[in-house]
Amino acid sequence: DIQMTQSPSSLSASVGDRVTITCRASQDIRNDLGWYQQKPGKAPKRLIYAASSLQSGVPSRFSGSGSGTEFTLTISSLQPEDFATYYCLQHNNYWTFGQGTKVEIK
Amino acid sequence: QVQLQESGPGLVKPSETLSLTCTVSGGSISSYYWSWIRQPPGKGLEWIGYIYYSGRTTYNPSLNSRVTISVDTSKNHFSLRLNSVTAADTAVYYCARGIPAGLWGQGTLVTVSS
Repeated sequence: DIQMTQSPSSLSASVGDRVTITCRASQDIRNDLGWYQQKPGKAPKRLIYAASSLQSGVPSRFSGSGSGTEFTLTISSLQPEDFATYYCLQHNNYWTFGQGTKVEIK
Repeated sequence: QVQLQESGPGLVKPSETLSLTCTVSGGSISSYYWSWIRQPPGKGLEWIGYIYYSGRTTYNPSLNSRVTISVDTSKNHFSLRLNSVTAADTAVYYCARGIPAGLWGQGTLVTVSS
């Protein structure tokens, strides 16, 4: 099984901050990775697919990078609506979600 | 636009079978991969499995012995059956479209309790 280690598990940040979340895969998954945002009581929303492709309609302050085993989601300037929990998902071999990162207001 | 809607009992007794249906509206189920994902209260996301519209399935190895996903193209829906449930199967169950899941239903809470 492929394990996804996501870090940090939570972070506190202010509006306007640059935020970086990392996912590490236990083996090479090429670029078979997506990033999701989930707000309380809502279904997850896909932000990024194929590691770095921005989902249509998602603000350009969100970006993804990486391939192989190391991946990053970056929010260039945190906005009030971005406070949420973020998950990575690998789909190279079965599917595995990261444990999630809760982004809270500082 | 395409929408997904989960339906089924909100309460299931231990040892019984959980059954859910995801109805696809605004588009045809006859393409894409269709998946089930769950989230226990206050916890993270767990992939259950997916089905191609042709009927080919792939399941999470940790649930493989208890899971069946099927598709009915005539009704434009796909279904989940999870056997021998316990309290650990209490979760919000989501259906989704695509690889990886790009379009999600709103989710439905299933509680396993006597």
